[in-house]
Amino acid sequence: QVQLQESGPGLVEPSGTLSLTCAVSGASISSNNWWDWVRQPPGEGLQWIGEIYHSGTTYYNPSLKSRVTISMDESKNQFSLRLRSVTAADTAVYYCARGRLVDRSSLLFDYWGQGILVTVSS
Amino acid sequence: DIVMTQSPDSLAVSLGERATINCKSSQSILHTSNNKNYLAWYQQKPGQPPKLLIYWASTRESGVPDRFSGSGSGADFTLTISSLQAEDVAVYYCQQYYTTPPAFGQGTKVEIK
Repeated sequence: QVQLQESGPGLVEPSGTLSLTCAVSGASISSNNWWDWVRQPPGEGLQWIGEIYHSGTTYYNPSLKSRVTISMDESKNQFSLRLRSVTAADTAVYYCARGRLVDRSSLLFDYWGQGILVTVSS
Repeated sequence: DIVMTQSPDSLAVSLGERATINCKSSQSILHTSNNKNYLAWYQQKPGQPPKLLIYWASTRESGVPDRFSGSGSGADFTLTISSLQAEDVAVYYCQQYYTTPPAFGQGTKVEIK
């Protein structure tokens, strides 16, 4: 069974950098899937942040692209998110997810972590 | 970017009755090369991550009860719960995976009447 688990600070100061890690078990991040980050502000809907493939190829949401970096550590079977210059608008539950590779798309999310609430506040 | 719009925002249905949720995309998400609609439905219960229910607009994910069904093509889609059960209380999201960035609808909250 594929499992994902987010970890990282639950509180980040404004203008700081949000850093999260997603540990994957039951599957190799070197497999033929993509690995994604999705966030959900409290009481709101879902926003895709970006994704990474084991080749190192990344795609980001244009609305966040200037502030986001997604990376992976194959030796630890985990991938990470860094979001710079955060504001209160970045307060959200952050999910990591697996992007199933299907015909012409990698953006179908079949396994999700439980999510981690990150609050941006001083 | 493709925008996904769901209706209604919420609905209350009696146990055993049918629940219907609509989803409209701002452009067609039917890929003509393979005749597939790049539309998924997710269920999110309070305090839990979204769960994939349906993809290709009408294919149930493994283990999803057959009371959940999806239909539609092009830019108009529907999720139907044929006989609402108590455990179906949740927020349901549609999502297009046709192009980057993938987009979700705003969600539809399903409650028991």
